[in-house]
Amino acid sequence: DTGVSQNPRHKITKRGQNVTFRCDPISEHNRLYWYRQTLGQGPEFLTYFQNEAQLEKSRLLSDRFSAERPKGSFSTLEIQRTEQGDSAMYLCASSLELAGGEQYFGPGTRLTVT
Amino acid sequence: AQTVTQSQPEMSVQEAETVTLSCTYDTSENNYYLFWYKQPPSRQMILVIRQEAYKQQNATENRFSVNFQKAAKSFSLKISDSQLGDTAMYFCASTSKTSYDKVIFGPGTSLSVIP
Repeated sequence: DTGVSQNPRHKITKRGQNVTFRCDPISEHNRLYWYRQTLGQGPEFLTYFQNEAQLEKSRLLSDRFSAERPKGSFSTLEIQRTEQGDSAMYLCASSLELAGGEQYFGPGTRLTVT
Repeated sequence: AQTVTQSQPEMSVQEAETVTLSCTYDTSENNYYLFWYKQPPSRQMILVIRQEAYKQQNATENRFSVNFQKAAKSFSLKISDSQLGDTAMYFCASTSKTSYDKVIFGPGTSLSVIP
């Protein structure tokens, strides 16, 4: 396994369009996290899964955002009716089920909403 | 809201010298975890070092060590013998009050190692 992968790496979309990002975690990791990172800031937690169960969602995750991990493997993050304020880097990370365990990050998907 | 503060937006250090990055955090928990993550330019974020709050001994990883002051809620990172490859954004992070699984990141310190 070569690590966490994310696709696409870059996405440019027009305001109002829907976008979907994919994250493939390290295969033996049962936890998967989504973060949003804007320029010059640290990652902000959005949501996380343990296997297929979504355990916590941030208040940052408006009803336009939805995340799934249907089989406990890869995950998708969808943003509906994108707004310019959604422009950011979306990071995915995975980890083992271990309290305070290391999170392994993917390269991110950079979203630009025009 | 729980916060992690990094008061140094940018720092620079000469190659082979030592630099210390500062971090403070707030939590009312007795046990939690603290991290320093490194994000090199255009590359993935990786864990540098991890500290469990109930352990008094400061964590070390090769050239990286921390100064963990629990009462002061301070968690600084010392990089010894700085190398050009240490140039990166460094993020201090803490597990949240509600969950060991959720991590709160600071705003980051941009470190430049100068040849």
